[in-house]
Amino acid sequence: GDSVTQMEGPVTLSEEACLTINCTYTATGYPSLFWYVQYPGEGLQLLLKATKADDKGSNKGFEATYRKETTSFHLEKGSVQVSDSAVYFCALSEAFTGNQFYFGTGTSLTVIP
Amino acid sequence: DTAVSQTPKYLVTQMGNDKSIKCEQNLGHDTMYWYKQDSKKFLKIMFSYNNKELIINETVPNRFSPKSPDKAHLNLHINSLELGDSAVYFCASSQATGYYEQYFGPGTRLTVT
Repeated sequence: GDSVTQMEGPVTLSEEACLTINCTYTATGYPSLFWYVQYPGEGLQLLLKATKADDKGSNKGFEATYRKETTSFHLEKGSVQVSDSAVYFCALSEAFTGNQFYFGTGTSLTVIP
Repeated sequence: DTAVSQTPKYLVTQMGNDKSIKCEQNLGHDTMYWYKQDSKKFLKIMFSYNNKELIINETVPNRFSPKSPDKAHLNLHINSLELGDSAVYFCASSQATGYYEQYFGPGTRLTVT
């Protein structure tokens, strides 16, 4: 069945360091891919998405490229800030499985000044 | 002007009690969801409704019963609460099923003692 695998956390970085959070997926058809972010004490909110192969989603300095050949959607940011400290979830949805969302296990990021 | 609201935000109760969590969205969306997030941040979908019809019903104990009186509301009733029910419960909504962004509520932290 469909699934999403994320790198395990927690991840701790110094401010202005580069961030990569790995995400790979298994899907039957052609899914859309998402990154959601959860700040402490809040619900999840969409960070970026890509709906077809080679699409790049971007928002708030974060980027992720939909790579069909490697079934990956890695999240990257060139220079993290303390305010980026949160839990990041990779997710997919595809019509083949009834459009259900499949979330990864989440990766906790802490950025220290 | 909160998009997805949940009440209560915190719920502390004893084993064996029955409790309800309410969710309302003012986005005009057709689809609503209930998720359970455990202490390790793992997110599991429980139910999904589209136009007041149940479309996703994951393996959840019968003690959990969702009710959708109209498209804007999706409530969750839990009977005979158990210690293992302690978690954060999130309501979410989306324009429709599939590739559409899900908007999450702030969560209800349920603690069963």
